[in-house]
Amino acid sequence: KQEVTQIPAALSVPEGENLVLNCSFTDSAIYNLQWFRQDPGKGLTSLLLIQSSQREQTSGRLNASLDKSSGRSTLYIAASQPGDSATYLCAVAYYKLSFGAGTTVTVRA
Amino acid sequence: EPEVTQTPSHQVTQMGQEVILRCVPISNHLYFYWYRQILGQKVEFLVSFYNNEISEKSEIFDDQFSVERPDGSNFTLKIRSTKLEDSAMYFCASNEETNTEAFFGQGTRLTVV
Repeated sequence: KQEVTQIPAALSVPEGENLVLNCSFTDSAIYNLQWFRQDPGKGLTSLLLIQSSQREQTSGRLNASLDKSSGRSTLYIAASQPGDSATYLCAVAYYKLSFGAGTTVTVRA
Repeated sequence: EPEVTQTPSHQVTQMGQEVILRCVPISNHLYFYWYRQILGQKVEFLVSFYNNEISEKSEIFDDQFSVERPDGSNFTLKIRSTKLEDSAMYFCASNEETNTEAFFGQGTRLTVV
């Protein structure tokens, strides 16, 4: 059974600092990995998808890496802003998505 | 931009009542899913649906739950006799293939009282 772990569980940084969010998974048999953003009480907004054959994916200030063999992905958010405050979830796909518990980020103005 | 639509956004129901949560997946998608998130917990897989039948279900998806695609556009989740522990946010998702990006609806918050 796929287990997805996200470290740290919570993170508080001053505005402008870069964010590093970690995700690990136990089974390397995956199709892809998706990073989502979730605001309190709201739905899931897809941020980035990395296919299993890719090492990296970028969108604006966001960059995600994937090392499938070691079961790790990292989401980097450059020059954080208060609007980046949210919970970030990683999910690995193999017929269905298996989610981590998320990292709750607070960016202090 | 195409999106997955869920209705209602909030549903309050009494314990023991039946509820139906509705979803309209993206029109050219073939694979449909229901997930749930109990407050403060992980998003959990419930069921996947393809070609008018369940392709996989979790241990959570017991006989109280059922899914249906009654027409060409809707995808529903029915809970036959709700329990307090069914209170959660329920998310519908769809994708073109199992290895492509999954798109999520905004969720239905179900509260069982």
